[in-house]
Amino acid sequence: DVKVTQSSRYLVKRTGEKVFLECVQDMDHENMFWYRQDPGLGLRLIYFSYDVKMKEKGDIPEGYSVSREKKERFSLILESASTNQTSMYLCASSPQGAHSYEQYFGPGTRLTVT
Amino acid sequence: GQSLEQPSEVTAVEGAIVQINCTYQTSGFYGLSWYQQHDGGAPTFLSYNGLDGLEETGRFSSFLSRSDSYGYLLLQELQMKDSASYFCAVRDPLPSGTYKYIFGTGTRLKVLA
Repeated sequence: DVKVTQSSRYLVKRTGEKVFLECVQDMDHENMFWYRQDPGLGLRLIYFSYDVKMKEKGDIPEGYSVSREKKERFSLILESASTNQTSMYLCASSPQGAHSYEQYFGPGTRLTVT
Repeated sequence: GQSLEQPSEVTAVEGAIVQINCTYQTSGFYGLSWYQQHDGGAPTFLSYNGLDGLEETGRFSSFLSRSDSYGYLLLQELQMKDSASYFCAVRDPLPSGTYKYIFGTGTRLKVLA
């Protein structure tokens, strides 16, 4: 079974703090993604990575950065958290090739910035 | 801009058939996927259409018409456990040879007893 884990289910941070969200997958997938999910807006892509040390911006990268030093781990960093970054953050992974359309999601991290 | 449109909510009774539509407007297209998400849970993959036509997986079927930029998810013999949100997603090819994924805003399905 593919497993994608995220470091925290719930997180509360203060405005201006640097926040790290960690994601680990155990299926040797090349592709990894970070989304945020807000009511009425669906899932919006923040950043993604197709290889170690490689990253590409998604649709809403402002205020975020990422790091992928190892194939199984993809970290999302909020450089200086703001209240408008309060959201559910979902990590996903998928293989390369013919089945790259099938993404496997982690349980999500609900981040509250106060 | 790029967008995927779905109805926000659909209600049906147990045992019925329901269709959730998705129309898309994206700069590129390389297939349409469907995901299910229960409240408090993670999205899980349901089906994928890379070519026009119908794909069937048990009680669920998905259809794609690329010429109409349109697809739908069909759920048959509805069960209470099908109450969830359903998202369509387009795989959008990038100049780098990679893909990004664009999700719709989701359709909340309520199944009534």
